[in-house]
Amino acid sequence: NAGVMQNPRHLVRRRGQEARLRCSPMKGHSHVYWYRQLPEEGLKFMVYLQKENIIDESGMPKERFSAEFPKEGPSILRIQQVVRGDSAAYFCASSPTADSGNTIYFGEGSWLTVV
Amino acid sequence: AQSVTQLGSHVSVSEGALVLLRCNYSSSVPPYLFWYVQYPNQGLQLLLKYTTGATLVKGINGFEAEFKKSETSFHLTKPSAHMSDAAEYFCAVRHNQAGTALIFGKGTTLSVSS
Repeated sequence: NAGVMQNPRHLVRRRGQEARLRCSPMKGHSHVYWYRQLPEEGLKFMVYLQKENIIDESGMPKERFSAEFPKEGPSILRIQQVVRGDSAAYFCASSPTADSGNTIYFGEGSWLTVV
Repeated sequence: AQSVTQLGSHVSVSEGALVLLRCNYSSSVPPYLFWYVQYPNQGLQLLLKYTTGATLVKGINGFEAEFKKSETSFHLTKPSAHMSDAAEYFCAVRHNQAGTALIFGKGTTLSVSS
């Protein structure tokens, strides 16, 4: 029973390139969340998606960042024209329904380094 | 808007000592509350959660937390620390309305010395 799967685990990009982070939720889970973790800042909520829908994107930067969760396939967090400040760990999480009492399960994270 | 404050970014205890990690929340309605643990270079693992019912919640690895509405607190405790408890701990809050995200505190790093 696989957990939340994220890939790549580590990604290096030069400034100006694009970064794509993928997340496959746990089996049976249709709700996906993306968080960014910076040292000393904890986890910052970015976006909450259900299949083919964005539920809450209040934490997403207005430019260069986008997320999707298509009917088939993994959720993708896309960062265009990366800058050094985008270097962080990005965590994906999933839950089976929108019920707020559900446990949200986290993946192992994707570490993005921008050089 | 909801928020979480974790008092103390670093806590150090001796092996066998009591662990107390503090968490206070701000919410306009009774929230759901969670504690997660993160080991280096890994994802987060749920320790325990409070949704409804008994306010003293027991979790994995001997941890427990008590929801105190009057104090808007959800402090995490463990009677006797083990070396393996050294990790980062995050308190999180979620609105009890469906379709809301989990909001985290900044975390507390627990160090355990022998």
